[in-house]
Amino acid sequence: QKEVEQNSGPLSVPEGAIASLNCTYSDRGSQSFFWYRQYSGKSPELIMFIYSNGDKEDGRFTAQLNKASQYVSLLIRDSQPSDSATYLCAVNRGNYGQNFVFGPGTRLSVLP
Amino acid sequence: DGGITQSPKYLFRKEGQNVTLSCEQNLNHDAMYWYRQDPGQGLRLIYYSQIVNDFQKGDIAEGYSVSREKKESFPLTVTSAQKNPTAFYLCASSITGRISGNTIYFGEGSWLTVV
Repeated sequence: QKEVEQNSGPLSVPEGAIASLNCTYSDRGSQSFFWYRQYSGKSPELIMFIYSNGDKEDGRFTAQLNKASQYVSLLIRDSQPSDSATYLCAVNRGNYGQNFVFGPGTRLSVLP
Repeated sequence: DGGITQSPKYLFRKEGQNVTLSCEQNLNHDAMYWYRQDPGQGLRLIYYSQIVNDFQKGDIAEGYSVSREKKESFPLTVTSAQKNPTAFYLCASSITGRISGNTIYFGEGSWLTVV
């Protein structure tokens, strides 16, 4: 079992719809969870992070964390074509950056 | 502007040649990292450093070397021992400790191709 798993996609949604991206992780000791967006040929950029169970909202983005189920998700409301990218889920298993583990990413395509 | 600068953006390596990728940050971050990304794959940690003059191997350190002589700089050398170096290389940095979950920030990346 991989430490961080994501559906590779592509996930296709129409413009204006809600895109739902999912991520599961295996290490129950994981402490913080991150979503990065990566455009083709570019480096990842941080969208948001979450530590506590529940939802965290930032603009059109909502991160959801369920530690009991070892599941974290990212919802993108009112999806735009500019949201088309690969979304990387990352899990920090400890206190320092060397414990980051990245999932393979889900490719999202928002259709105009 | 604060950020992480990687150079060169594109680099070609001949068989048996060592090449060095530069990474400089002005974010005053203590920790720096090098990741490798292959097409359609996640990021894999090569080396990391939490403090000047100290660094640790990551998951795929074989065939790579680093130095950390200054807080701002963390160059990566891809040696001839790395048999399949063609990849996208990402330098990153973060603060240390438990503040902000140690969010990692990335440079723009360097593409290395073996010719």
